[in-house]
Amino acid sequence: AQSVTQLGSHVSVSEGALVLLRCNYSSSVPPYLFWYVQYPNQGLQLLLKYTSAATLVKGINGFEAEFKKSETSFHLTKPSAHMSDAAEYFCAVSGGTYSSASKIIFGSGTRLSIRP
Amino acid sequence: ETGVTQTPRHLVMGMTNKKSLKCEQHLGHNAMYWYKQSAKKPLELMFVYSLEERVENNSVPSRFSPECPNSSHLFLHLHTLQPEDSALYLCASSQDLGGGYYEQYFGPGTRLTVT
Repeated sequence: AQSVTQLGSHVSVSEGALVLLRCNYSSSVPPYLFWYVQYPNQGLQLLLKYTSAATLVKGINGFEAEFKKSETSFHLTKPSAHMSDAAEYFCAVSGGTYSSASKIIFGSGTRLSIRP
Repeated sequence: ETGVTQTPRHLVMGMTNKKSLKCEQHLGHNAMYWYKQSAKKPLELMFVYSLEERVENNSVPSRFSPECPNSSHLFLHLHTLQPEDSALYLCASSQDLGGGYYEQYFGPGTRLTVT
């Protein structure tokens, strides 16, 4: 079974500062891990995805995440925040195999605010 | 239209009403999903369809009734809802099933308020 915990329901950073959104997962099998972003009044959009290749995954809009098996973590970072990054971010996990029975389990989300 | 579209975007209904949510995907995908998004809670997977066949029903109350007439369209029929059913209902599609192997593309959602 898989589960995911996002630490901090709300994170606020200044424009130009480092963005760090934390995610820890639990999985009985090697996982697939995801970060999704949801802008106001929109659906979720995939930022990046880890599928057991490189542990440092680069996504869209300058975001990246690092898979750390020893820490069961998959934290999302961006070196310099932009006002347009303000949104809700969701970490998610699924069983790391192609299986029609494998669901994607989502975290509760972290709302990112950017201060001018 | 491109991607995944949902109508209506907003819906207010009384507990005795019957309404339907519509989802259409223009991506040629074979799998479609309904999710419920409530404030401060993780996304809840409600139903999964693959090639018009329901493959998952996550203990959803019978007042929610899905329909998938073809691989491009997905409906969620609603009747005698409760106030706690108020939420954002998201539709998604993917090339095929397979957990996260295939990316899920989400629509903008229908904001449902039950009065």
